[in-house]
Amino acid sequence: GQNIDQPTEMTATEGAIVQINCTYQTSGFNGLFWYQQHAGEAPTFLSYNVLDGLEEKGRFSSFLSRSKGYSYLLLKELQMKDSASYLCAVTDSNYQLIWGAGTKLIIKP
Amino acid sequence: ETGVTQTPRHLVMGMTNKKSLKCEQHLGHNAMYWYKQSAKKPLELMFVYNFKEQTENNSVPSRFSPECPNSSHLFLHLHTLQPEDSALYLCASSQESGTGGYGYTFGSGTRLTVV
Repeated sequence: GQNIDQPTEMTATEGAIVQINCTYQTSGFNGLFWYQQHAGEAPTFLSYNVLDGLEEKGRFSSFLSRSKGYSYLLLKELQMKDSASYLCAVTDSNYQLIWGAGTKLIIKP
Repeated sequence: ETGVTQTPRHLVMGMTNKKSLKCEQHLGHNAMYWYKQSAKKPLELMFVYNFKEQTENNSVPSRFSPECPNSSHLFLHLHTLQPEDSALYLCASSQESGTGGYGYTFGSGTRLTVV
């Protein structure tokens, strides 16, 4: 079966750095997405990785290792508004989107 | 404003009621999707429409009935639901289906509670 694993919940301090991991076992691979979802709101696109390596976009970076079936989302200089759920999703060989259950990130002052 | 609008935002219904969820997109997209999001579970794809034609039904119970009158509007008709159907129902759109998630825009969802 196809599976994506990410931690259920993480806590971090305002101004700090946090890394949210995602591991996947899918039938093929055609890209990995990270989405941010604030409570009661729409998931919004953060990043897309299809090649190995690090993609940086402001305070957020996403890393991919296809050989390890592994990705992480790195959030720097955390702000209270970063409190949200972060969803990892992988496109398989049939271009089906497989979702993780999401990581709820709690930021404390 | 996400470009994908869902109404109502919240809905409480009894198990014998009939109600409908509405989704509207103003992005010029041709594909629209219904997802179910339950607490601590991955998003579950329910239905896919591409150019108004249903292209995917992921073994969804018949008490959920989708309708797509045009590429901008998508409905989910609900009847005789069960308490386990309580969840957040998300609508999404993309330029066309089969892109594997690229270019998706989500609505804010309808929080459904079945009592």
